[in-house]
Amino acid sequence: DMQMTQSPSSVSASIGETVTITCRASQDISHWLAWYQQRPGKAPRLLIYAASRLQTGVPSRFSGSGSGTDFTLTIHSLQPEDFATYFCLKANTFPFTFGPGTKVDVK
Amino acid sequence: EAQVWESGGGLALPGGSLRVSCEASGFLFKAYAMTWIRQSPGKGLEWVATISGGGDAAYYSDSVKGRFTMSRENSNNTVYLQMTGLRGADTAVYFCAKGNSLGRGYLDSWGQGVLVTVSS
Repeated sequence: DMQMTQSPSSVSASIGETVTITCRASQDISHWLAWYQQRPGKAPRLLIYAASRLQTGVPSRFSGSGSGTDFTLTIHSLQPEDFATYFCLKANTFPFTFGPGTKVDVK
Repeated sequence: EAQVWESGGGLALPGGSLRVSCEASGFLFKAYAMTWIRQSPGKGLEWVATISGGGDAAYYSDSVKGRFTMSRENSNNTVYLQMTGLRGADTAVYFCAKGNSLGRGYLDSWGQGVLVTVSS
């Protein structure tokens, strides 16, 4: 089966900084990638789908890019509510596969 | 606004069975695939199963294939996950989620999750 990797596994950042998270697929998945945010004790929330499309209601400081095997989630001007764990998801064929997650915490 | 919510979690014995349900509102239920995802304590997210809008096709992860069955009743806006042959590794919070119009894996509405604990 395909593997999804994420880097870094954790990052410490300050309010106002820009954070970049990378997701890599072991095979070409075209644009079939989504990004989710999960705060402790909460359900995940869809941020980005089709690699770069911003989900309705998600702040524009979140952006996604990439295609094929390499994808990036960028959070500009980090806000207090952005400290959370971020997961990518390969969504082209079954089995859907999540990345292991990247925890963004306070520096 | 689309909403989904799960029910039916609890404690099950190893080898036992349990059914969790997910009810939905705020969207044309039969038009969308629905998915179960689970998260073991302190761990990442794992895709479990997806069912098509019409309920004619269901897909499973290798870890649950042959033990779990996903179904839906479009008349009641509800999906189910029937779990049999439960193992300790199945202990997790189970989330139900709706796919969006572009892709079954673009899960745009999630429930709050329901805890399933498998233990003797």
